[in-house]
Amino acid sequence: AQKVTQAQTEISVVEKEDVTLDCVYETRDTTYYLFWYKQPPSGELVFLIRRNSFDEQNEISGRYSWNFQKSTSSFNFTITASQVVDSAVYFCALRSYSSASKIIFGSGTRLSIRP
Amino acid sequence: DAGVIQSPRHEVTEMGQEVTLRCKPISGHNSLFWYRQTMMRGLELLIYFNNNVPIDDSGMPEDRFSAKMPNASFSTLKIQPSEPRDSAVYFCASSSMGLAGGTRTDTQYFGPGTRLTVL
Repeated sequence: AQKVTQAQTEISVVEKEDVTLDCVYETRDTTYYLFWYKQPPSGELVFLIRRNSFDEQNEISGRYSWNFQKSTSSFNFTITASQVVDSAVYFCALRSYSSASKIIFGSGTRLSIRP
Repeated sequence: DAGVIQSPRHEVTEMGQEVTLRCKPISGHNSLFWYRQTMMRGLELLIYFNNNVPIDDSGMPEDRFSAKMPNASFSTLKIQPSEPRDSAVYFCASSSMGLAGGTRTDTQYFGPGTRLTVL
């Protein structure tokens, strides 16, 4: 079975604080891919990052960073020095190699950045 | 480059009417996906196509829903007859199932969505 769990339903922080969004996944496949998407208030889904299971290097892109740990089946997302424009719903997603093109989405974390 | 294009962006209709949602995938992409997003159920995959062929329609709620992809640049999702419980945002996404270094590059890129309201 494949599953993505985003236990944090909503997070609210003050601008400039760092914030980490948790993502825990389940899959029996050894080859799989993890994604993060952002859904701002305007409603579109914006792709942020894709990681495959063989690459455990952490990734940093500006204020965004991702921590992939196979040992704990987690793919957490950290925003450093948060800004109001970061307010959105963030989805973690999983595609296992055996599931063809199906992507399983987590339920999302609603992040609110207060000025 | 143009992203995934969906039309209409908003649709309000009355129960029992036929609704057709349209999608133009990113040029060169060979996989297309239809999703539905609601507060209660989150993001659900309805159906996806690979090279214009429906591969998995197990997410289609019932026979009132149908999807077609007559060519690589166009797909439709039709609801007939529509019901109030069909109210949701419907997203179309596309990806390229090509190979890069032996690994599928299958990131899905989403359109802006169609917000459907059935009264």
